[in-house]
Order: sequence, then structure tokens, then C-alpha cells
Amino acid sequence: DIQMTQSPSSVSASVGDRVTITCRASQGITNRVAWYQQKPGRAPKLLIYGASSLQGGVPSRFSGRGSGTDFTLTISNLQPEDFATYFCQQANSLPFTFGPGTKVDIK
Amino acid sequence: EEQLVESGGGLVQPGGSLRLSCEASGFTFTIYWMTWVRQTPEKGLEWVANIKQDGSEKIYVDSVKGRFTISRDNARNSVDLQMDSLRAEDTGVYYCARRGATGNWVGRWGQGTLVTVSS
Repeated sequence: DIQMTQSPSSVSASVGDRVTITCRASQGITNRVAWYQQKPGRAPKLLIYGASSLQGGVPSRFSGRGSGTDFTLTISNLQPEDFATYFCQQANSLPFTFGPGTKVDIK
Repeated sequence: EEQLVESGGGLVQPGGSLRLSCEASGFTFTIYWMTWVRQTPEKGLEWVANIKQDGSEKIYVDSVKGRFTISRDNARNSVDLQMDSLRAEDTGVYYCARRGATGNWVGRWGQGTLVTVSS
């Protein structure tokens, strides 16, 4: 199985900050990565797919990049509604696996 | 509005069974693979089972093979997960999910239903 790791596991930031989360796959997965946002008590929500494509309705302050094994999710100009946990997921080969999550909280 | 609504979660004893159901609405159900994803304290998010548009292909994560069965009814726009021989480590929130049209990500999630396996 492909293992997905994320760093950092948590980050404290302020409104207006730029936050970057890293996700690493245990083997190459081309651009087959998705990013999700999850708020407490809610289901995850798709933000980015194909490493860099923004899901419809997602604000443009979210962006993704990367290829192969290393990927990043960047939130520019952090807004109050962005405080949440973020997960990456590899969509290259079964079983499709998720990272452990990165919690973004208020500094 | 696109919706996935799960039902059937609850408390069950180890070794017991539970059947989860998911009703889809607001989109063309028959063109999508459907999936169950669970979130557990031990393993986090885990892709549990997948079923092809016509039900001809079913794929399971190793930890549930032989115990869980995914099925769908395209006439009722529904997908079920029959869970047998349940273990404590199956405890978690189970999400019905629709795979993306262009790739193996989850484009739409249900609200989740809690399954607790405990004596």
C-alpha cells in the first residue's frame, strides 16, 4: 500500500497568514493527489484534485502543486472559516490512502 | 442539490452485524462509482469499499475482505454496506461517498453515520 505522510501535524496561524502543508507519498503517484478540508463533526470536503485543480466553489486562496512523491497545499490570506483539519489522499492505486491530517488552528 | 444520506449506524456487539444504507439524490447516480469511507480513531480516514456503476466490480480494503459486502440498487439510487463479524477496530464514522468523475477522489460525501462495536 502507498503510505501518505503529512507535515506539520498541526500549525498555528493568524487570519491573513499564508500556510503551506506538505504531503509525501511512499512511491511516485504522478499528479494523482486530492486535498480535503474537514471541520469538527462534519464530513470532509474536496478542495483540490489532480494535485492542482480547484474543485468548483472552492475559493482561489487555496492552491495545490506537486508531482511524483511531494505535494503541497497552500492557503493564502487565511480566513476564519479556514481553521480546520486538512487531509491529502493518493488516487493512484488501490487501496486509495489518506494522510493523517494537518490541523490548522488559531494562533 | 446533490445529496448522500446514510442510515443504519448504531451500537453492536463484537461478532455482530449491521447494514448501512445510503440514498443518493440530485445527480445521475448510475454514472458514478460509489464508495464507503470510514474514519476511525486508530487509522483515520480509510477507503473501505468501492462498487462500479453497474455493480459488476467490487473492491475492498484488506481489513474488511470476507466480512463486508457492498451493493447498489440503481433503480432506487442507493448503495448499501453489509458488515458482518464486526470487531472493535471497525468502530468509527462511516461515510457514503461518490467518486470523482475524472479520478479516484471523493467528489461528494454524506454526513456520516456512527458505528460502535462494543460489548
